[in-house]
Amino acid sequence: EAQVTQNPRYLITVTGKKLTVTCSQNMNHEYMSWYRQDPGLGLRQIYYSMNVEVTDKGDVPEGYKVSRKEKRNFPLILESPSPNQTSLYFCASSPRAKAGFTTGGNEQFFGPGTRLTVL
Amino acid sequence: GNSVTQMEGPVTLSEEAFLTINCTYTATGYPSLFWYVQYPGEGLQLLLKATKADDKGSNKGFEATYRKETTSFHLEKGSVQVSDSAVYFCALSGDSGGYQKVTFGTGTKLQVIP
Repeated sequence: EAQVTQNPRYLITVTGKKLTVTCSQNMNHEYMSWYRQDPGLGLRQIYYSMNVEVTDKGDVPEGYKVSRKEKRNFPLILESPSPNQTSLYFCASSPRAKAGFTTGGNEQFFGPGTRLTVL
Repeated sequence: GNSVTQMEGPVTLSEEAFLTINCTYTATGYPSLFWYVQYPGEGLQLLLKATKADDKGSNKGFEATYRKETTSFHLEKGSVQVSDSAVYFCALSGDSGGYQKVTFGTGTKLQVIP
């Protein structure tokens, strides 16, 4: 089954304790992204990756790190979590736009979400 | 930069009522437009999309037409069901330095009552 998986689904931690949220996709997609969802703010992109070893900042990257050592995995790292990072996090993947299509975009496939609480 | 504005929720409707959720956008170039749906406790999933002006996306009785002249992509359904209760996100995907950056609206919660 084609899917994006995230672990853990729920996490409660304390300020300053490093944590990693894993994300894996089995669709051989080039693009992967991390988003956070907060009430009234919708989804905001944290980081994205266009391919292995290629990552870039999204709209709200402060306090987060990512890596893309393998095509299927895109972990999100919080080196020193703070309470303002309490949120619902989603990983997503999408295929590269088809050759010849220079505008527009492809569907994103989302993981089930990770609810993080930082005390 | 690109932006998406969608109507505030929550929207509460009786079963079989007509649904409209408004969405307008600001973007350069020719973005693709999407509606995603998020059921309780789940991630987002694509509901429908349109990739060029005047395209109509449709799925599960929902429809939306890409209107470039009004920069809109309103979601409609003729007769909603309780199972349609969810949060709906309008989104656009546009070129950003070779990457198809996706910008989401804030979401509209729909509650359908029997």
